[in-house]
Formats: sequence, structure tokens, C-alpha cells
Amino acid sequence: DIQMTQSPSSLSASVGDRVTITCRASQSVSRYLNWYQQKPGKAPKLLIYGTSSLLSGVPSRFSGSGSGTDFTLTINSLQPEDFATYYCQQSYNTPWTFGQGTTVEIK
Amino acid sequence: QVQLQESGPGLVKPSQTLSLTCTVSGGSISNYYWSWIRQPPGKRLEWIGYIYYTGDTNYNPSLKNRVTISVDTSKTQFSLKLTSVTAADTAVYYCARASGDSTLGFDYWGQGTLVTVSS
Repeated sequence: DIQMTQSPSSLSASVGDRVTITCRASQSVSRYLNWYQQKPGKAPKLLIYGTSSLLSGVPSRFSGSGSGTDFTLTINSLQPEDFATYYCQQSYNTPWTFGQGTTVEIK
Repeated sequence: QVQLQESGPGLVKPSQTLSLTCTVSGGSISNYYWSWIRQPPGKRLEWIGYIYYTGDTNYNPSLKNRVTISVDTSKTQFSLKLTSVTAADTAVYYCARASGDSTLGFDYWGQGTLVTVSS
């Protein structure tokens, strides 16, 4: 199985901050890397697919980059509704696997 | 607008079979990968398996031979059966759609249903 490791596991930030979350795969996943946002008691929502493609309707302050084993999710100008847990997921090989999550909390 | 809705018992006894159904509305079941994903309390998401609309399946080896996913295209439903459950199978279970258009990212999800394994 491909192991996905995110860092940090949690972070505190203020509204307006730029936030960067890193995801590392245990082997190359090419560009088959997706990012999700999950709020308490809700299902995850797909934000970015294929490393850097924004799903329709997702604000442009979200962006993704990387390839191979190292990927980044960046949130520019953090908004109050962005406080949530973010997961990366590889869809390169089955079993499809998720990172452990990064919780973005209000400072 | 595509919507997914899970249904099934919220409480299952140890050693019994967990059965859930996902009803898809607002869109076609064709040309997509329909998955079950679970999230134990406080833990990361775990992909259980998928069924393609043709009936082809792919399961997570971690669940060994306990999982079966089936599809009923006439009812636009797909189902999960997990046998010989234990407390470790207690989780929120989600159904979700993966699309080749989004490099197999899960673009639509059900709201999730909590299944507790307890006697």
C-alpha cells in the first residue's frame, strides 16, 4: 500500500494568513493526488484533483502543487470558513489511501 | 445535482454482517466508480472498495475477504456487505463517487452513516 503522510498534523492560523500543508507519498503517485476539506460531522469535500486542478466552485485562494512523492496544498488569505481538517488522497494505485489529516485551527 | 444517500442499520452485533445501501439521485450511475469509505472515530479515512457501473469490483486487501460491493443499475443503488464485524468496524460509513474526469478523486459523497458494532 502507498502510505500518505501529512505535515503538520495541526496548525493555528489567523484570518488572512497564508497556510501551507504538505503531503508525502511513500512512493511516486505521479500527479494522482487529491485534496479534501472536512468539517466536523460532515462528509469530506473535494477541493483539488490531479495535484493542481480546482474543482468547479472552489475558491481560487486554494491551490495545489507537486508531483511524484511531494505535494502541497496552499490556502492564500485564510477565511473563517476555511477552518477545518484537510486530507490528501492518492488515486494512483489501489488501495486508494488517505493522509492522516491536517487540522487548521483559529489562532 | 447528484446526491448520494446511505441507508442501513446503525447498530450491528459482533460477528454479524453489516449491510448498507447507497441511493444515487440526480445523475447517471454509468461511467463512474462507486466507492465505500469509512472513518473510525478520530481516525483517518479508509477506502473500502469500489464497484464500476459494469460490475467490476476492487477491494481493500486490509478487509481481506469480508467485503462485497454490488450494484443495481435499475434502482441506481449500490450496496456494501461486511461480514464478521468486530468493534474495530465501528465507523462513519460514506458512499462516494469517483470520476475519471477528476483523476478518480471523490467528487460526490453521501452524508455518512454511523455504524456501531456492539452487543
